[in-house]
Amino acid sequence: DVKVTQSSRYLVKRTGEKVFLECVQDMDHENMFWYRQDPGLGLRLIYFSYDVKMKEKGDIPEGYSVSREKKERFSLILESASTNQTSMYLCASSLWGVQETQYFGPGTRLLVL
Amino acid sequence: KNQVEQSPQSLIILEGKNCTLQCNYTVSPFSNLRWYKQDTGRGPVSLTIMTFSENTKSNGRYTATLDADTKQSSLHITASQLSDSASYICVVSEDRDDKIIFGKGTRLHILP
Repeated sequence: DVKVTQSSRYLVKRTGEKVFLECVQDMDHENMFWYRQDPGLGLRLIYFSYDVKMKEKGDIPEGYSVSREKKERFSLILESASTNQTSMYLCASSLWGVQETQYFGPGTRLLVL
Repeated sequence: KNQVEQSPQSLIILEGKNCTLQCNYTVSPFSNLRWYKQDTGRGPVSLTIMTFSENTKSNGRYTATLDADTKQSSLHITASQLSDSASYICVVSEDRDDKIIFGKGTRLHILP
């Protein structure tokens, strides 16, 4: 069974803080994704990575950056957190393509005060 | 513009009853369509995947249908259980730019 884990289930940060969200998958998947999920808006893609050190912008990359130094690990960074980044953040991985079945982590609910 | 519309937004039914969720899309060129189930506080989990040539696919009490001509899909849940309470998300893959488009989901509540 594929397992995708995220470093925190709940996180509270202050405006302007730097925030790191970490995601680890254990199935040697090539692709990893970061989404945010907001009520009424569904899932929106922030960034994805198709290989180590490679990254591609998704639909809403502004205010975020990512890092993939190892195949199993994909980090989302909020350089200076703002209140409009309060959201549920979901990490996912897939074997080799965007269109493949994605396996999601449990999510991190981030509150920015 | 590629879009995925789901209906209804939310649905409440009694345990043991059947229900059908709808997904209409304008994605082109079409590659495949997935239904995901997302329990409260958890990440989505894939239920079914359908390609252009497939009309029906089942996964236990879940049956998905696809009409590629009218660009509609449905997810039918038979003999609902309390554990079916969740959000159901339709995701359509677009072949040209290798993208996926998420619907906003249907929130299903099963009452005892």
